[in-house]
Amino acid sequence: NAGVTQTPKFQVLKTGQSMTLQCAQDMNHEYMSWYRQDPGMGLRLIHYSVGAGITDQGEVPNGYNVSRSTTEDFPLRLLSAAPSQTSVYFCASSYSYRLDTEAFFGQGTRLTVV
Amino acid sequence: KNEVEQSPQNLTAQEGEFITINCSYSVGISALHWLQQHPGGGIVSLFMLSSGKKKHGRLIATINIQEKHSSLHITASHPRDSAVYICAVPFTGNQFYFGTGTSLTVIP
Repeated sequence: NAGVTQTPKFQVLKTGQSMTLQCAQDMNHEYMSWYRQDPGMGLRLIHYSVGAGITDQGEVPNGYNVSRSTTEDFPLRLLSAAPSQTSVYFCASSYSYRLDTEAFFGQGTRLTVV
Repeated sequence: KNEVEQSPQNLTAQEGEFITINCSYSVGISALHWLQQHPGGGIVSLFMLSSGKKKHGRLIATINIQEKHSSLHITASHPRDSAVYICAVPFTGNQFYFGTGTSLTVIP
């Protein structure tokens, strides 16, 4: 049982490049989400999904796309990277919509855009 | 407007000291999470609690729903406790209001 797996762990991109951050969970969780973590800002929600085929925007969605074709995977796409997207990205999942459900986080992807 | 406020932002302690990190929130909740993040590492869930107190080893978390306040205590602190501790309040099962974190450094 690997939990939530994120790849890559580190990435350097040039401005304008595109890439996909991968997130996979093996716990059959319906709910998955992407956050970015910036100094002094805490974690902010980018996009989330309540199940396969269903996604929605969070607090800071601009510049990012997501899709959820399977329960296990929730990739985050940067269409044209900008220096403002330099951040640490975390994927999270949980079993239920209930507010007292434990959330599981990945190890993070540290992205630098130059 | 911050729905979740943590204090202190930074904390340095000597090994063996008793440590308290506070979290206040402004929204109605049914549960609150304490998370731990080691330098350069991922995020780990320490506690999820909706009332009273929970204990895990040297870590104790308490919550007062009426006062909208939670505390995380570390007894007999150790350098390996050095990390960022984050308070999080869910508003759906997978979405949270996060505090900005408390950076703890425990000096040997």
